[in-house]
Amino acid sequence: EAQVTQNPRYLITVTGKKLTVTCSQNMNHEYMSWYRQDPGLGLRQIYYSMNVEVTDKGDVPEGYKVSRKEKRNFPLILESPSPNQTSLYFCASSVRLAGSQETQYFGPGTRLLVL
Amino acid sequence: AQSVTQPDIHITVSEGASLELRCNYSYGATPYLFWYVQSPGQGLQLLLKYFSGDTLVQGIKGFEAEFKRSQSSFNLRKPSVHWSDAAEYFCAVLSSGTYKYIFGTGTRLKVLA
Repeated sequence: EAQVTQNPRYLITVTGKKLTVTCSQNMNHEYMSWYRQDPGLGLRQIYYSMNVEVTDKGDVPEGYKVSRKEKRNFPLILESPSPNQTSLYFCASSVRLAGSQETQYFGPGTRLLVL
Repeated sequence: AQSVTQPDIHITVSEGASLELRCNYSYGATPYLFWYVQSPGQGLQLLLKYFSGDTLVQGIKGFEAEFKRSQSSFNLRKPSVHWSDAAEYFCAVLSSGTYKYIFGTGTRLKVLA
């Protein structure tokens, strides 16, 4: 089954304790992306990756890191989480960015609470 | 700067009534436009997308959207709403130059029985 998986689905942590949220897709997609969703703000793109070893900042990259060492994985790293990073996080992937075949598939989300 | 505006935060309609959700965008070139739906506690699902060609786009679940360049709009419509359509709807634009997605703030749809 084609899917995007995220782990963990729920996470409670404390300020300053490094954490990683994993994202994996089994569709051989080149493009992957991370978003955060906050009430009243919709989804905001954190980072995206065009392919292995190619990443770029979205609109809200501060406080986050990503890496793309393998095509299927795109982990999101919070080196020193702060309470303002409490949010719902989504990973997504797509086969390409232009043309009628482009469709972005979303993972189920990771709900993060930083105390 | 590119932006997407969904002016209606909440919309309530009766089951069987028609629906129109508004979306306005600000983008220099011809945009790639999308509508997504998010059911409670779920991820996002693509309803439809516009890249080029016919300005009236058909999607899943009986939804359609019309791209109007002169009004910078991409409104989502459905002729007869079902109770299962209650969800949050997001309009989004993809920048072909930077490959960034910009989402609107969403419209939450409530359906009355």
